[in-house]
Amino acid sequence: GQNIDQPTEMTATEGAIVQINCTYQTSGFNGLFWYQQHAGEAPTFLSYNVLDGLEEKGRFSSFLSRSKGYSYLLLKELQMKDSASYLCAVRSLRAGNNRKLIWGLGTSLAVNP
Amino acid sequence: DVKVTQSSRYLVKRTGEKVFLECVQDMDHENMFWYRQDPGLGLRLIYFSYDVKMKEKGDIPEGYSVSREKKERFSLILESASTNQTSMYLCASTPQSTPYEQYFGPGTRLTVT
Repeated sequence: GQNIDQPTEMTATEGAIVQINCTYQTSGFNGLFWYQQHAGEAPTFLSYNVLDGLEEKGRFSSFLSRSKGYSYLLLKELQMKDSASYLCAVRSLRAGNNRKLIWGLGTSLAVNP
Repeated sequence: DVKVTQSSRYLVKRTGEKVFLECVQDMDHENMFWYRQDPGLGLRLIYFSYDVKMKEKGDIPEGYSVSREKKERFSLILESASTNQTSMYLCASTPQSTPYEQYFGPGTRLTVT
């Protein structure tokens, strides 16, 4: 089957660094996405990894290990506005003409002052 | 900037009513999706479309139908609304180039009473 696991909730302090993990089991892996979703709003695209390694984009970085079925999203210099849900999603060659995503349930991050 | 719009932010309907949710994207994307999002259940795919007049069932198509008569517009239809269809409905579209990230509309919060 196809499955994505990520922690339900995390708490961190403003200015700190937080790592949100995502593990997946899927056949025909063809890329992993991270999205941010603020309460009551739609998800917005953060990052994409298809090869092993780290992709850095400002305060946010995303890492992928295909052999371990593992990714993490790293948020540095946390700000209060980073309080949101972070969704991990995987694209599979076997699902829906390569355009369909398999979604995790999301990790709700609370940033405290 | 990609823009995905949805016809309503909030909608209240009665049980048994026929409900139309419309989604329009302005970037000539071929792939469009309808999701519902519920607490603890995450994003669940209802239907998607990869071309005009083409549609495929997602994970939870029961009680829903869709229409894609024009490339920019993808409609979700609840033939006879029920209280268990109270949810946040999100439309998304995907460009034809990698990484095929999904762009979401603002969402429609539907309440069926």
